[in-house]
Amino acid sequence: AQSVTQLGSHVSVSEGALVLLRCNYSSSVPPYLFWYVQYPNQGLQLLLKYTSAATLVKGINGFEAEFKKSETSFHLTKPSAHMSDAAEYFCAVRRGLTGGGNKLTFGTGTQLKVEL
Amino acid sequence: DTAVSQTPKYLVTQMGNDKSIKCEQNLGHDTMYWYKQDSKKFLKIMFSYNNKELIINETVPNRFSPKSPDKAHLNLHINSLELGDSAVYFCASSHFKQLNTGELFFGEGSRLTVL
Repeated sequence: AQSVTQLGSHVSVSEGALVLLRCNYSSSVPPYLFWYVQYPNQGLQLLLKYTSAATLVKGINGFEAEFKKSETSFHLTKPSAHMSDAAEYFCAVRRGLTGGGNKLTFGTGTQLKVEL
Repeated sequence: DTAVSQTPKYLVTQMGNDKSIKCEQNLGHDTMYWYKQDSKKFLKIMFSYNNKELIINETVPNRFSPKSPDKAHLNLHINSLELGDSAVYFCASSHFKQLNTGELFFGEGSRLTVL
């Protein structure tokens, strides 16, 4: 079964500092991987996705993630944190296309706090 | 225009009651989902419908019954509510076989509190 593990349920950074949110996946086949963001009292919004086209994926709001097969990782980064980045971030993996449409399995989430 | 809308946004009820949450999407998608997010923010899929047909049914108690009258609507009815049902329920939609994106579009959630 495919799954993702997010290391660190809470991450705190200073405004302007590098953001690094960790995600490792487990999959017997090449995975489709996603990062979603959830702002307070809102639904989830797609930040970026890896679908095997390129290992470095750029998303919205200056975020990017690099797929590293050798490390089974898909960590999310942003060079300079902004106060508005404070949110819950979820890594997710998609099961294959056969049966289940876009069934996503989510990680347990990482709460990002940005301090002045 | 809201893409995926859920009602109600907040629901407080007593144990043993029956309640429903409605979801509608205007994105032209053919697949809709219900996810449950618990107090620790863990998200788990419950159901998925494709063109009114149930395609995913995770290990959810029989007290939960989804209904999809058409591909733009997916409602969730819960019988005999229990304390453990307290959570935020998210509706989402997508195209069934989205080869290049796999993106789900989420509603804002319905927070259910069972007393």
